Amino acid sequence: EPEVTQTPSHQVTQMGQEVILRCVPISNHLYFYWYRQILGQKVEFLVSFYNNEISEKSEIFDDQFSVERPDGSNFTLKIRSTKLEDSAMYFCASSALSGETEAFFGQGTRLTVV
Amino acid sequence: GQNIDQPTEMTATEGAIVQINCTYQTSGFNGLFWYQQHAGEAPTFLSYNVLDGLEEKGRFSSFLSRSKGYSYLLLKELQMKDSASYLCAVEGYGGSQGNLIFGKGTKLSVKP
Repeated sequence: EPEVTQTPSHQVTQMGQEVILRCVPISNHLYFYWYRQILGQKVEFLVSFYNNEISEKSEIFDDQFSVERPDGSNFTLKIRSTKLEDSAMYFCASSALSGETEAFFGQGTRLTVV
Repeated sequence: GQNIDQPTEMTATEGAIVQINCTYQTSGFNGLFWYQQHAGEAPTFLSYNVLDGLEEKGRFSSFLSRSKGYSYLLLKELQMKDSASYLCAVEGYGGSQGNLIFGKGTKLSVKP
């Protein structure tokens, strides 16, 4: 069964450092998303991406964040200068259509900022 | 604004039926999803409702009333493996399709 894969599964970084979280969406999907979940809290939408550009972003997705689809398979989330409060599980998701269809989530990258 | 409410925790017995409620007030609404999330894992899709009424899928059913801003997930013949968090999510962020706004989740504990 096709799945969304994310690497690394766990990343520890020092405050102020840049991190890149990587995702390989399901191959025939066209819509890509990043969500985050701070420990013990709800899953929060960060950004959606379609046709090589951002479709929608939340208030969380400030100038410190960026997304890119550098090639035909990868979808990345970059945090430019990490803060302690960026520590969370980051989930990548993809869907075949925009709306009215399930999004498939990757297993997540646990980011710990120290 | 966006507001999705669900009970924080519920407990039920193996073999029983449990109903998890969700109420929502959102600025954009295209449909409502239910996801299951085991601790430390990714959310996995359970159901989607766009029209009022009941959608049945094996042991799981989901109901939606758009006029009341209300949904529920019904789990029948509970099994121990159903112990997980159940996330209600509204589709649409400022009217955009595909983006999910999640509730805080209901942690269900199934006991023997």
